[in-house]
Amino acid sequence: DTAVSQTPKYLVTQMGNDKSIKCEQNLGHDTMYWYKQDSKKFLKIMFSYNNKELIINETVPNRFSPKSPDKAHLNLHINSLELGDSAVYFCASSPAAGSYEQYFGPGTRLTVT
Amino acid sequence: GNSVTQMEGPVTLSEEAFLTINCTYTATGYPSLFWYVQYPGEGLQLLLKATKADDKGSNKGFEATYRKETTSFHLEKGSVQVSDSAVYFCAPSSGGSYIPTFGRGTSLIVHP
Repeated sequence: DTAVSQTPKYLVTQMGNDKSIKCEQNLGHDTMYWYKQDSKKFLKIMFSYNNKELIINETVPNRFSPKSPDKAHLNLHINSLELGDSAVYFCASSPAAGSYEQYFGPGTRLTVT
Repeated sequence: GNSVTQMEGPVTLSEEAFLTINCTYTATGYPSLFWYVQYPGEGLQLLLKATKADDKGSNKGFEATYRKETTSFHLEKGSVQVSDSAVYFCAPSSGGSYIPTFGRGTSLIVHP
């Protein structure tokens, strides 16, 4: 009965590779997000989707591409991975527009070597 | 845009000590205010919230009061436990994008 789930939990890969992280929420929420958390715990919003449509795309390299096949899923694909992409990536969701509460997944720790 | 200032950590306390983590913010409009907690190896969880001036949010023994005049939302707990060791994030939220502005987080370490 996990609310927001992400796979994989850990991802170790080499520079230049392409990888994907999957996210699913079973809360019936309309809006989903991707965040990046650096080693100092700073949390940065990357993308936001509402009902499968992109509504926020912060300054993120275009190597990062989100995809939302339906409103319960938001995947993150990363091309040509770089050392600086190493971080913990969190998926989150929130109820219909007008709510600021966010529900986070457990995170995916990406290590690029 | 919004901004938030949290006290730098780590905050190190003995069990049963009193905790205060300061948070001040600037925000457009009339923000809702949140504290989130991140336990080691986990995602953030909503701890408590307040949506209007003088409201007090509370959960698991933690409290914070929405102080509009001082634009603050300080987190307090009367008696901390080892299990409260975590990183705490203050997050004012306002504006049409509905994205919270997260502070840099304050690490709390509680020793037995």
